[in-house]
Amino acid sequence: DAGVIQSPRHEVTEMGQEVTLRCKPISGHNSLFWYRQTMMRGLELLIYFNNNVPIDDSGMPEDRFSAKMPNASFSTLKIQPSEPRDSAVYFCASSRTSGGAYEQYFGPGTRLTVT
Amino acid sequence: AQSVAQPEDQVNVAEGNPLTVKCTYSVSGNPYLFWYVQYPNRGLQFLLKYITGDNLVKGSYGFEAEFNKSQTSFHLKKPSALVSDSALYFCAVRGTNAGKSTFGDGTTLTVKP
Repeated sequence: DAGVIQSPRHEVTEMGQEVTLRCKPISGHNSLFWYRQTMMRGLELLIYFNNNVPIDDSGMPEDRFSAKMPNASFSTLKIQPSEPRDSAVYFCASSRTSGGAYEQYFGPGTRLTVT
Repeated sequence: AQSVAQPEDQVNVAEGNPLTVKCTYSVSGNPYLFWYVQYPNRGLQFLLKYITGDNLVKGSYGFEAEFNKSQTSFHLKKPSALVSDSALYFCAVRGTNAGKSTFGDGTTLTVKP
């Protein structure tokens, strides 16, 4: 299994630009999570989906952030417009929700720098 | 509501000595408990979990953790630390009816030769 795949691995953009981060979860996993990690705030859950449906987006910082999961094998996190304070590492993770297999498998992350 | 506390930001041990990374939790009902490790510039990696059954669970790389219901703790342990164990460790909890896990702030483990 290839694990959780994220792209791009690095993104450098200017303030005001739109940024789209992509994630392919592990096949057969029905939950998908988007996290943000910074030195100041640590690991933050932004949003999670169950069976492609957004369940909890209370961690999304503001309306500039949006996430979609059009099918079981693809999700996007979009920031429009981006700001320097959005600079962070963004992780996608997936898990099953049955059979006691609730552990999450994380992708390698996308390091976003907004200048 | 569910929460996790990792009381130590940093743990330092000498190579070959036993290590313990502490975790306490709060959750409604029975907990599912997890430990993850993060190496520099990498995503978090699952180490071990407690769902039910034996209070002592064994995981990857020789790590183990003991579930203590009365103390609401799930400390991570290893009998003999390696320099390569140096990393950031996260404890996480999930209630049986919760759809997501709550992560602690992480503990940086440094193993010195």
